[in-house]
Amino acid sequence: NAGVTQTPKFRILKIGQSMTLQCTQDMNHNYMYWYRQDPGMGLKLIYYSVGAGITDKGEVPNGYNVSRSTTEDFPLRLELAAPSQTSVYFCASSYEGTSTDTQYFGPGTRLTVL
Amino acid sequence: GDSVTQMEGPVTLSEEAFLTINCTYTATGYPSLFWYVQYPGEGLQLLLKATKADDKGSNKGFEATYRKETTSFHLEKGSVQVSDSAVYFCALSALGGSYIPTFGRGTSLIVHP
Repeated sequence: NAGVTQTPKFRILKIGQSMTLQCTQDMNHNYMYWYRQDPGMGLKLIYYSVGAGITDKGEVPNGYNVSRSTTEDFPLRLELAAPSQTSVYFCASSYEGTSTDTQYFGPGTRLTVL
Repeated sequence: GDSVTQMEGPVTLSEEAFLTINCTYTATGYPSLFWYVQYPGEGLQLLLKATKADDKGSNKGFEATYRKETTSFHLEKGSVQVSDSAVYFCALSALGGSYIPTFGRGTSLIVHP
């Protein structure tokens, strides 16, 4: 199992550009999440999904969009990139989404907006 | 709402020193508690967890005990190694089907030879 994979690993965008961060998991997990990690600030939830076709906003959804057409894939779309979106983005998944469930994280995408 | 408070870092230790990273939480109900570790340049991975009061989670020499009376889940290791240098995150997930864990801000550990 590859687990959770993310592409790209690094990206530099200009202000106003758009891009899609890819996330794929091969563990047949129902639940998937997108977080951003800013220095010293821990993780902030952007969007999550409880299954194909179902998504919902997290704590910091503005400026982002997601879709979940398959169990495996959960891409994150940035529209009109802004310097405030400079961050490290992590995708994660879990099987049941219960309180005892473990989250599995991808390696992250480091995004810089200039 | 639910929250997790971790001690501020960085924590700097010499190899073979004793480690404690404090974590306290606020939650409604009876959450499960987790420690995740993030090695440089990588994503988070589960280090250990405990799902009910008085449970002890352990892995790779690390331990943490779920203390309901003090709402704490402190991480300990008796003898740290340079390879333990990483950022450690305490997290909770509330009982009752909540599928969105709450993470602390993370504590950086630096171990010198």
